[in-house]
Amino acid sequence: TQLLEQSPQFLSIQEGENLTVYCNSSSVFSSLQWYRQEPGEGPVLLVTVVTGGEVKKLKRLTFQFGDARKDSSLHITAAQPGDTGLYLCAGPSGSGNTGKLIFGQGTTLQVKP
Amino acid sequence: KAGVTQTPRYLIKTRGQQVTLSCSPISGHRSVSWYQQTPGQGLQFLFEYFSETQRNKGNFPGRFSGRQFSNSRSEMNVSTLELGDSALYLCASSKGQGAPYGELFFGEGSRLTVL
Repeated sequence: TQLLEQSPQFLSIQEGENLTVYCNSSSVFSSLQWYRQEPGEGPVLLVTVVTGGEVKKLKRLTFQFGDARKDSSLHITAAQPGDTGLYLCAGPSGSGNTGKLIFGQGTTLQVKP
Repeated sequence: KAGVTQTPRYLIKTRGQQVTLSCSPISGHRSVSWYQQTPGQGLQFLFEYFSETQRNKGNFPGRFSGRQFSNSRSEMNVSTLELGDSALYLCASSKGQGAPYGELFFGEGSRLTVL
């Protein structure tokens, strides 16, 4: 059974601080995605990482896919209150290219001004 | 272009009743997936429909069912509601083909409360 474990589950920091969220599995994934969900809304896709060792940047967010494609991390530089939300990693179940994703439990981030 | 639309946004039911939720995907998307989100279990996959056929199914009891119409709109139904069915039900659409990584576009969800 494919599982994704995220850590930490909760993170409360001050504006301007840096943080890293981890997404780990014992299984190999063909790709991993990161979503952000704000209260009362559905998750919104931030990025997809595909190649082992790949690093992608989205403004102050840096995403990395592990060399063995079993883990990923999200690093936020100089966090802002607008970064507050639930961060979810997800990977395709089985061969991919379907709507069946396995989601981590999520990391709730609160950035205080 | 318009996003994924889910109706109703909020609903309250009592145990034993049934409920039908609706989802209109992004125009051109042929895959619709449904997820249940709860604080304890997180996001769990219910089922996926592609071109009116169920392509994948999660580990939920038979009380949970769905269907997809020829215009790609989808409905899910939960019969004989239980208290534990209280959750946010999320619909997600994707191209289903040609997009290699299964990236999903979610609606805002239908918040179901079972009393």
